[in-house]
Amino acid sequence: QKEVEQNSGPLSVPEGAIASLNCTYSDRGSQSFFWYRQYSGKSPELIMFIYSNGDKEDGRFTAQLNKASQYVSLLIRDSQPSDSATYLCAVNFNSGNTPLVFGKGTRLSVIA
Amino acid sequence: DAMVIQNPRYQVTQFGKPVTLSCSQTLNHNVMYWYQQKSSQAPKLLFHYYDKDFNNEADTPDNFQSRRPNTSFCFLDIRSPGLGDAAMYLCATSRDSPQETQYFGPGTRLLVL
Repeated sequence: QKEVEQNSGPLSVPEGAIASLNCTYSDRGSQSFFWYRQYSGKSPELIMFIYSNGDKEDGRFTAQLNKASQYVSLLIRDSQPSDSATYLCAVNFNSGNTPLVFGKGTRLSVIA
Repeated sequence: DAMVIQNPRYQVTQFGKPVTLSCSQTLNHNVMYWYQQKSSQAPKLLFHYYDKDFNNEADTPDNFQSRRPNTSFCFLDIRSPGLGDAAMYLCATSRDSPQETQYFGPGTRLLVL
């Protein structure tokens, strides 16, 4: 069973703080990992993806991958109220042609 | 701009009255997906087309059908909508294979009266 786990939140952080969102997955053979942001009533939009162990930075966003521990995280620096959204983690379990498996998402609230 | 387009953005139907939602893409992507998303829940994959191959999720009700007449278009047919089918329906695409990044359309919100 391929599973992606996320804390549903809400995670509340003050404006300007670092928000840390975590995701764990069930299969050590998983190859690629994606973070999507979804505003209320809108569709998911890709923030970034990561394939290799370590950190990948894109502006205020940093994805961190640890394949040995089977977790991937997303850090948002200098959080803004406009970052308030649900963040979905998706995993490619590298199992045939199986599509990405999405977690249930973590709701982030940035308080001004 | 290349994109994923869904029409209509809002659809109201009556209990039991068939409804069709449409998705088109100008990305020339090989894979197209349909998801159902209810309030405060994760998107639930209904089915996907990998090129012309149709892949149905095991728990997708028979009430939901799909057609992909060509690369650019994909349709979701709900044969007899129930109140429980009211949701946001999301179409997404991937360039070459289902293991790649998915790009979502804006969604169609379905209301069943």
